Amino acid sequence: DQQVKQNSPSLSVQEGRISILNCDYTNSMFDYFLWYKKYPAEGPTFLISISSIKDKNEDGRFTVFLNKSAKHLSLHIVPSQPGDSAVYFCAASITDSWGKLQFGAGTQVVVTP
Amino acid sequence: DVKVTQSSRYLVKRTGEKVFLECVQDMDHENMFWYRQDPGLGLRLIYFSYDVKMKEKGDIPEGYSVSREKKERFSLILESASTNQTSMYLCASSSPGPIQPQHFGDGTRLSIL
Repeated sequence: DQQVKQNSPSLSVQEGRISILNCDYTNSMFDYFLWYKKYPAEGPTFLISISSIKDKNEDGRFTVFLNKSAKHLSLHIVPSQPGDSAVYFCAASITDSWGKLQFGAGTQVVVTP
Repeated sequence: DVKVTQSSRYLVKRTGEKVFLECVQDMDHENMFWYRQDPGLGLRLIYFSYDVKMKEKGDIPEGYSVSREKKERFSLILESASTNQTSMYLCASSSPGPIQPQHFGDGTRLSIL
């Protein structure tokens, strides 16, 4: 049973607008969360992360929000650019688990001109 | 720059064959991981290693084994390939701890006929 769920397989957004990607998790032991971005024919690359002691982390155009009570996190991309078109994976980890990650199924983002 | 290299981008093998997938990292990372990526399922952890000659099962280890004789190299072995092992295989490495992001190779697309 998947412990990390991304319920939207795809998202289409206009260039310049905000992209919001959602992720839910079921295991309350998770205390570190990451977002990865994947282009076709390439491996995933790390984008941004957040610890469970925070509720927000920002890095340039990318912001991740964490709502622990709802077991929900989201990634906001503002403004969206054509180069942001990719698959985005949400991942979760437990401290002292050798950095093992549980991944969601991914969300395909398409940014249109 | 960080580099994780997987020996083959595409591989075609026959049912029952023993298949070796090789992964090399140049970052002196302790942790190495093997995932498979399937549509709708995201990345699922097969095996990981936190030190030379150490290995731990991930979420889907059945039908696979691994070898880590040197720190920089982590091999995935399909003991007797089956068609349900047709997939994209991704290798990753990281420093210890959950806050260290994993660095991925570009993947091996394996087809079992």
